[in-house]
Amino acid sequence: LAKTTQPISMDSYEGQEVNITCSHNNIATNDYITWYQQFPSQGPRFIIQGYKTKVTNEVASLFIPADRKSSTLSLPRVSLSDTAVYYCLVGDWFKVNNDMRFGAGTRLTVKP
Amino acid sequence: EAQVTQNPRYLITVTGKKLTVTCSQNMNHEYMSWYRQDPGLGLRQIYYSMNVEVTDKGDVPEGYKVSRKEKRNFPLILESPSPNQTSLYFCASSLSRDIDYEQYFGPGTRLTVT
Repeated sequence: LAKTTQPISMDSYEGQEVNITCSHNNIATNDYITWYQQFPSQGPRFIIQGYKTKVTNEVASLFIPADRKSSTLSLPRVSLSDTAVYYCLVGDWFKVNNDMRFGAGTRLTVKP
Repeated sequence: EAQVTQNPRYLITVTGKKLTVTCSQNMNHEYMSWYRQDPGLGLRQIYYSMNVEVTDKGDVPEGYKVSRKEKRNFPLILESPSPNQTSLYFCASSLSRDIDYEQYFGPGTRLTVT
């Protein structure tokens, strides 16, 4: 089971780049790394997913080093609306014994 | 519109009174699951289903039941609710295994058991 560790909270200011790192030392060969965003009173929303190196979409970038024991979610030029909880998940969703788990997440607060 | 719906959105009930929270998705997803979210604990999986008539326990299944008789529906049943099941519940679904791991979440059901 690939356990993940993230900071409990982070603060930033509007316009800054925010990097949230997730540690997953025992990631397995078939595991993917997935990040979700959750606003208060809403269900989580998929942000980005990757296996190795770098992945970029219209919302964020995901950096994964060669050893895959950690990953960094990068949010460029955050705004107040990016204030949310961010979850890092590692696992193989399609294994019979599904061990994709949401941890406590990282609460990002963006200040004006 | 592709979505996951849950009903009810809010529910206050008393200990021991059986209740069902419905979940339905219109995306023809094979995989569905239920989570509960409590302050400081993140989301914890209750049950999941790989397909019709195939369900399995997640991290915190005690006190819950599920069924998957149709692909689109995955109800969560609390036979005898207790106050420690007061929580925010989310249903989620995802595509087949050939694509990605994106889960689509419902809007949540806030349950209070007194």
